[in-house]
Amino acid sequence: QSALTQPASVSGSPGQSITISCTGTSSDVGGYNYVSWYQQHPDKAPKLMIFDVSNRPSGVSNRFSGSKSGNTASLTISGLQAEDEADYYCSSYTVASTVAFGGGTKVTVL
Amino acid sequence: QAQLVESGGGVVQPGRSLRLSCAASGFTFSNYGMHWVRQAPGKGLEWVAVTSYDGNDKYYADSVKGRFTISRDSSKNTLYLQMNSLRPEDTAVYYCAKELTLIVVGCFDPWGRGTLVTVSS
Repeated sequence: QSALTQPASVSGSPGQSITISCTGTSSDVGGYNYVSWYQQHPDKAPKLMIFDVSNRPSGVSNRFSGSKSGNTASLTISGLQAEDEADYYCSSYTVASTVAFGGGTKVTVL
Repeated sequence: QAQLVESGGGVVQPGRSLRLSCAASGFTFSNYGMHWVRQAPGKGLEWVAVTSYDGNDKYYADSVKGRFTISRDSSKNTLYLQMNSLRPEDTAVYYCAKELTLIVVGCFDPWGRGTLVTVSS
C-alpha cells in the first residue's frame, strides 16, 4: 500500500492562486474518480474540502476546486487567504478496497 | 448533524492490547461505512481500516493487518477498533470517520476529534 505523492510545501501571497498536486497510479488515482482533499489546521481534525475529484461539500468556499488528469489529481486554492494556511491531504480509493493518503502539503500564506 | 466522539486512548506497553470506541450520533449509523484513520505525532494521515454498513466487509492497512480488528455495534451506534500486539510505531491520534455517502469509496465526513494512543514502556 503506497502513499500518494504530494509536494511537501507550497506558498503564495494573499489573493494569489496555488495548486497542490497528488500523484498516484492506475490502481488508485487514475483508476477511480474517488479522490478527496482534506484541510487540517494545527491540533484540529481534518475537514473535507473536495470529494469525487471536483465536488465541494456544502459550506466549503468556491475558492477551492479540484481536478484530475491521468494518475495526478490537483487542488487549486484561488484568492488565497490567511485562513487557508494549513496542511492539505489528498486521498484515493484503491483497487484493493483500501484508501491511500498523500504525505500532506503545508500551505503557507506569505 | 453527524457527530463522532472517540474514546479509549491512553498509554500502553508494547505487546499489550487496547480497544478504542467511537460513539456516533446525528445520523443513521447502520446505513454508513465507517473508518479509522491515524496520525503519528508530527506526521501525515494514515488510513487504518474500514467496515461496511453491516459489518460484513472489512479491510485493513498492511501495517495493522492481523493485529487490529474493526467492528461495529449498530444497537449502540458505536464503532470499535481492537488493537493487539501494539508496537511503538502505533503511537498516534486515532480518528474515526464516516463515509460521506452510502457507498464506501474512502471519503471521510465528518471526522471525530481523535483519541491519542501512546505505546511505550
